[in-house]
Amino acid sequence: NAGVTQTPKFRVLKTGQSMTLLCAQDMNHEYMYWYRQDPGMGLRLIHYSVGEGTTAKGEVPDGYNVSRLKKQNFLLGLESAAPSQTSVYFCASSPSWDEQFFGPGTRLTVL
Amino acid sequence: AQTVTQSQPEMSVQEAETVTLSCTYDTSENNYYLFWYKQPPSRQMILVIRQEAYKQQNATENRFSVNFQKAAKSFSLKISDSQLGDTAMYFCAFMKPLTSYGKLTFGQGTILTVHP
Repeated sequence: NAGVTQTPKFRVLKTGQSMTLLCAQDMNHEYMYWYRQDPGMGLRLIHYSVGEGTTAKGEVPDGYNVSRLKKQNFLLGLESAAPSQTSVYFCASSPSWDEQFFGPGTRLTVL
Repeated sequence: AQTVTQSQPEMSVQEAETVTLSCTYDTSENNYYLFWYKQPPSRQMILVIRQEAYKQQNATENRFSVNFQKAAKSFSLKISDSQLGDTAMYFCAFMKPLTSYGKLTFGQGTILTVHP
């Protein structure tokens, strides 16, 4: 099992560009999450999904959109990137309200 | 809303010694879970230990143990016989089971350095 994988691992964008981060899990988990990690602030929840076709806003959703068309995939989109979105992004999955399994992270820099 | 506070931005310890990382949280809930996650330089988030609030007994996983004080809303992590591989950022996290869909609220993190 690969667990939780994230694509890409690194990306540099210019202000105003768009991109999509892909998260995939092969553990048949229902719940999936997107977090961002910034220095001194820990991880903060952006969006989450409790099943295929569902999404919901987390603590810091502005500037991001998500989709969960397939159970195993959870996509995070930035329509118009801003320097404030420079961060490390983590995806996680969970079978229910229990331990979350994290991906390796994506380091995004917006110039 | 729940908040989680880790008041120690950085800690250091000598190899083989014991170190305690602090975490406090604020909640009006009675039933919840608490976690400690480790993030080594590789950036991978690894679960170290978990505690269910309804359990009075403190959780233990090998060299890692917690001191859970529910009334004081305190959840500290003790690492015994520290090893070089314990060098990492450690995050305390809070979860309300059932009603919050497993969403985690994290503290700011504590950087732990183990010196040889």
